[in-house]
Amino acid sequence: GENVEQHPSTLSVQEGDSAVIKCTYSDSASNYFPWYKQELGKGPQLIIDIRSNVGEKKDQRIAVTLNKTAKHFSLHITETQPEDSAVYFCAASNGGGADGLTFGKGTHLIIQP
Amino acid sequence: NAGVTQTPKFQVLKTGQSMTLQCAQDMNHEYMSWYRQDPGMGLRLIHYSVGAGITDQGEVPNGYNVSRSTTEDFPLRLLSAAPSQTSVYFCASSYSLSADTQYFGPGTRLTVL
Repeated sequence: GENVEQHPSTLSVQEGDSAVIKCTYSDSASNYFPWYKQELGKGPQLIIDIRSNVGEKKDQRIAVTLNKTAKHFSLHITETQPEDSAVYFCAASNGGGADGLTFGKGTHLIIQP
Repeated sequence: NAGVTQTPKFQVLKTGQSMTLQCAQDMNHEYMSWYRQDPGMGLRLIHYSVGAGITDQGEVPNGYNVSRSTTEDFPLRLLSAAPSQTSVYFCASSYSLSADTQYFGPGTRLTVL
């Protein structure tokens, strides 16, 4: 089955700086890569996703890049703000199957004022 | 729309007791799934359903049963609770596949003594 590794487990950055979270996956058949943000006491919420026919996708301060050859994808957050503090999860899925998402173990992002 | 709702929010059980975690969605989504979240483990898929009357096992199905009699509801049953089932449980739904945007409920925090 799919295995997703996520690094780092904790990331502390100064407000206004950029943050980068990296994930690798093992199944070359995976073709859908979402990122979720989870605030304390709440369920995960999708913030951005990318499919394997695209190398990069941006949405305001958030961007995701995908390298299919190396089987890794990254989340980039620019101009970080206090409300970006949360746990972020990457995931991977074989879009043609109904076998769910395989999640990384999460990154706790801390924005220092 | 209420989105994905889960009840109860918190539950304490004794070893051997049974209970059902409720999940409902009002978005007419075909795909529904259950995940458990443990510290340092990310989210792991328990069971999923691609439509009414169809269910299948995920990564960690042992000790859990599901059924899908309607499009809206996807209950998760613990037949004989064990301390290893202490976790936070999330229900999620999407339009048709795991590779569509997954909408998560607020979670149920379960403690088994």
